[in-house]
Amino acid sequence: GAGVSQSPRYKVAKRGQDVALRCDPISGHVSLFWYQQALGQGPEFLTYFQNEAQLDKSGLPSDRFFAERPEGSVSTLKIQRTQQEDSAVYLCASSRQTGNYGYTFGSGTRLTVV
Amino acid sequence: QQQVKQSPQSLIVQKGGISIINCAYENTAFDYFPWYQQFPGKGPALLIAIRPDVSEKKEGRFTISFNKSAKQFSLHIMDSQPGDSATYFCAASWENTDKLIFGTGTRLQVFP
Repeated sequence: GAGVSQSPRYKVAKRGQDVALRCDPISGHVSLFWYQQALGQGPEFLTYFQNEAQLDKSGLPSDRFFAERPEGSVSTLKIQRTQQEDSAVYLCASSRQTGNYGYTFGSGTRLTVV
Repeated sequence: QQQVKQSPQSLIVQKGGISIINCAYENTAFDYFPWYQQFPGKGPALLIAIRPDVSEKKEGRFTISFNKSAKQFSLHIMDSQPGDSATYFCAASWENTDKLIFGTGTRLQVFP
């Protein structure tokens, strides 16, 4: 597609529920990133893939958060046993190559945990 | 040390005026400094970026000024337009990583 596609756009989850957020990067983009953006704040890094390899997961806030990109294209961010503090917009970005040449972000998934 | 401090938090500018947003950092290993523009309900979009080997970069109405010794960089928007009303984020990254550290954002409102 022309841009980074994320689904669903909105997700309401009851506390304790598991959720899965999907990211379709731009075709052929090697690098894929997940960021978390709390209301009124800047995005915060969660994790990074180069093709199917997860090279950095230092930003994942707890072991309830898990990300995968099994075939080096679509990625899924899974959050188990959601908590209220997980409420945020989850942004996915992709980049054609490594080396800081600029990301393209998707519009994000807004997760609300009630 | 990995923080990027951004100011002001909000900015109101009249149409045709100059908008200036400032950022400061501590980590001297940072070597890539992009600015992103974000509209409500959308993801951030890359506006302009600079590396520390130059002191200024201009693209259309947008200019980054970079002061390596002061560890500061700023975004100037010339001839600001109502369509520029958005939230702007500075960011920084360092060699051997593509991970970005974002500032806290500046909400810009341009009034006609």
